[in-house]
Amino acid sequence: GESVGLHLPTLSVQEGDNSIINCAYSNSASDYFIWYKQESGKGPQFIIDIRSNMDKRQGQRVTVLLNKTVKHLSLQIAATQPGDSAVYFCAETSGSRLTFGEGTQLTVNP
Amino acid sequence: GAGVSQSPSNKVTEKGKDVELRCDPISGHTALYWYRQSLGQGLEFLIYFQGNSAPDKSGLPSDRFSAERTGGSVSTLTIQRTQQEDSAVYLCASSVSLGYYGYTFGSGTRLTVV
Repeated sequence: GESVGLHLPTLSVQEGDNSIINCAYSNSASDYFIWYKQESGKGPQFIIDIRSNMDKRQGQRVTVLLNKTVKHLSLQIAATQPGDSAVYFCAETSGSRLTFGEGTQLTVNP
Repeated sequence: GAGVSQSPSNKVTEKGKDVELRCDPISGHTALYWYRQSLGQGLEFLIYFQGNSAPDKSGLPSDRFSAERTGGSVSTLTIQRTQQEDSAVYLCASSVSLGYYGYTFGSGTRLTVV
């Protein structure tokens, strides 16, 4: 069936470096793609989204890139900080429910 | 409170017992969703409620799972005759209207079936 998945389960970076988290999706009909951050013991927290008719969207220290040709989504975090350590999920929606990928554990080393 | 509240935060139950998980959405949010997160996995959709419309139950994994939402506010997810594979974190989210925008998740209930 349709699914959203991630290429790498873990990512370790040095504090201050840029992080790139990747996601592949298969549902061409998705309207929005969303990135969530989940810290231990908490629910997912919205980071940034991108509409399917866009290629790039920037937020505060984060950028989401969407490549519809290869059905690829990425989250770039600039100047990664220890507080960025968490599991990051991509999700897609073409209606009311979200379909989530499996998550990438980002670890930021001091 | 300002956020989505779930209770209990942790629940350990014996196999075969029934459990009830509670979700208090943000006041005024008409849409409420339940997801399940197994260890190290992404979130799996279970059910959503929108206003007075019939709920979308298409994600419920078996007839042992049911949910209700009383008065358009509090929701209860019930799992009957729990099995070990039901062990997971059950997350509730609410939003102002149907659609992902403005989804706010609770911290979840960690269910362990022993």
